[in-house]
Amino acid sequence: SYELTQPSSVSVSPGQTARITCSGDVLAKKYARWFQQKPGQAPVLVIYKDSERPSGIPERFSGSSSGTTVTLTISGAQVEDEADYYCYSAADTKMVFGGGTKLTVL
Amino acid sequence: EVQLVESGGGLVQPGRSLRLSCTASGFTFGDYAMSWVRQAPGKGLEWVGFIRSKAYGGTTEYAASVKGRFTISRDDSKSIAYLQMNSLKTEDTAVYYCTREGITDDYWGQGTLVTVSS
Repeated sequence: SYELTQPSSVSVSPGQTARITCSGDVLAKKYARWFQQKPGQAPVLVIYKDSERPSGIPERFSGSSSGTTVTLTISGAQVEDEADYYCYSAADTKMVFGGGTKLTVL
Repeated sequence: EVQLVESGGGLVQPGRSLRLSCTASGFTFGDYAMSWVRQAPGKGLEWVGFIRSKAYGGTTEYAASVKGRFTISRDDSKSIAYLQMNSLKTEDTAVYYCTREGITDDYWGQGTLVTVSS
């Protein structure tokens, strides 16, 4: 299918590890990207090619992949990491976003 | 510095048309595919479509929700990508972003709001 499924919300305390999953058949064959979006701002790329981190993104952000699921991990989440997170991948000649996950850090 | 600036948003009645522009700077525009993504108020991101670079034929792809109504084009001489939106519906109300996807990076504009309402 061309859908990417994410949990609607994840909540952690500061310093804990946050994990956000994204599932979809296309992920078995295509790389995923992860975007962070804070209120009123454009999205920012935090992970590409399942597990690569763009320059300027803190090391606490990491990504992994297994079968049809990719996972964004924030190790030692900080209050400033509170945001919406979206996975994104290719599906045939189209592109698709996951529904988004609201990460609460408090 | 890569910059993408969208313009052309505003209030439009259902059934009417609107054209958005994305003016790029800081990179060789013609070398990149350009995409449009939208976000309805309080909702998630939705991919709208993209246009490939001329090196890859300059062809376009669209989401099913806009195919046949929206058209993406580009003017490499001016470093501008366009999103022509026809037969607008109330559900097209959203902030529209243009984006440039690179191999290791991604750039987004600040977005332009399109409101479709009578």
